[in-house]
Amino acid sequence: LAKTTQPISMDSYEGQEVNITCSHNNIATNDYITWYQQFPSQGPRFIIQGYKTKVTNEVASLFIPADRKSSTLSLPRVSLSDTAVYYCLVGDWNRDDKIIFGKGTRLHILP
Amino acid sequence: EPEVTQTPSHQVTQMGQEVILRCVPISNHLYFYWYRQILGQKVEFLVSFYNNEISEKSEIFDDQFSVERPDGSNFTLKIRSTKLEDSAMYFCASRLGQKNSPLHFGNGTRLTVT
Repeated sequence: LAKTTQPISMDSYEGQEVNITCSHNNIATNDYITWYQQFPSQGPRFIIQGYKTKVTNEVASLFIPADRKSSTLSLPRVSLSDTAVYYCLVGDWNRDDKIIFGKGTRLHILP
Repeated sequence: EPEVTQTPSHQVTQMGQEVILRCVPISNHLYFYWYRQILGQKVEFLVSFYNNEISEKSEIFDDQFSVERPDGSNFTLKIRSTKLEDSAMYFCASRLGQKNSPLHFGNGTRLTVT
């Protein structure tokens, strides 16, 4: 299981673009990178998943460099409601079904 | 959009009592999970379940814990003799089963052991 490292916390302002980087130096060939968001007293919610290059959906973009040893979640024009904890998970869940969450990044959006 | 539902939303029990937390996963999902989150801490993996058996479990998931899928729709977590330190949010999750399909979580059951 690839170990991930994320900043413990980040602050940003409404309307800004926020980039949260996750390091995963020992990512394996078949591992995917998945990001979740969690609000207080709620279950984590899937945001985006990728394997390489760039993935974009209606919520976020995920940038993955060629070596795949890191990834960056990009949230465009954040609002106060984006204040949450963001988790980066790396693994091959076909091979290993023990899906582990790290401590995540606590993002605080200021007005 | 289909969702994972958990009941009850909040359960209070006395130390030593048995509790059963219930979950209805998304209907066409094949993999089922329980996680817990102690207040202010990270989401901890307890157990994964596939094809009517446990596929993985953590060191937290000791003999006091058990899971069951009794009727093809419900997925339950039983704690036989609760301890104070079992107080936490318990989240159920399910996923489709395609390669690396993402987890879908319920909104959790807050268990308070007094």
